[in-house]
Amino acid sequence: DQQVKQNSPSLSVQEGRISILNCDYTNSMFDYFLWYKKYPAEGPTFLISISSIKDKNEDGRFTVFLNKSAKHLSLHIVPSQPGDSAVYFCAATGNFNKFYFGSGTKLNVKP
Amino acid sequence: EADIYQTPRYLVIGTGKKITLECSQTMGHDKMYWYQQDPGMELHLIHYSYGVNSTEKGDLSSESTVSRIRTEHFPLTLESARPSHTSQYLCASSLTKGTQYFGPGTRLTVL
Repeated sequence: DQQVKQNSPSLSVQEGRISILNCDYTNSMFDYFLWYKKYPAEGPTFLISISSIKDKNEDGRFTVFLNKSAKHLSLHIVPSQPGDSAVYFCAATGNFNKFYFGSGTKLNVKP
Repeated sequence: EADIYQTPRYLVIGTGKKITLECSQTMGHDKMYWYQQDPGMELHLIHYSYGVNSTEKGDLSSESTVSRIRTEHFPLTLESARPSHTSQYLCASSLTKGTQYFGPGTRLTVL
C-alpha cells in the first residue's frame, strides 16, 4: 500500500503564475518530508525539505507547506518558469532509514 | 551539488547476460540505496545499506544482488538479465540523519 501519494499526475501552469503541487501521506510516524525534481533520463535533484516541527519552509521561489493534522504537504513555486517543467516527487521518512516516494506530478510551465 | 556517480548511464543488453551497475559516492555517506523507477510510477526501493558489510532487501522484490565492501561503492548485479528488468535504476546516498541525494541513473534495456 502506497504511503505517499501524489494524486495529480500532471499540472499545466502559465509562466509567471504560481504552481502548487500536492502530496498526501498516511503514516503518522513520518517526520521529515522532501521534494525532488526530475528530468527524463536523469536522477532526482533535491529541492527543499521540511521537518515535522515546522509548517513552512522557504527557499527562493520554492515554499513547502506541511499540514500534519491533514497529513498533507504542498510545494509552491512562485513565479513559475519554463525551466521548472519537470516531474516533481515528494518523499517522506520516519527515521532517515527508508524514504518513501510518491508517483510524481509532471509540471508543464507554458511560456 | 551531490557527488554520486553511476555507470553506465545507458545499457542495452541481451537476455541471459550478467550485468553490474556501478554506484560510487565521494561524500562519505554511510547509507546507500538502489531504487527502480518506471515512467509515471513512484521510486521503488530494491536494496539498501547502512554501512560496510551491511545490505538489506527493499520493499520491492528484486532478482538483483548488491555488495558494500567499501563505504563509497555500492554495485548492483543481475546474474541473468531478462526483459522484465528493463527500467531506470537510481542509486542514492545519505548521512545517518540527512537528505538523500541521487546519482544520474542507469537506463537498462534488456532485449
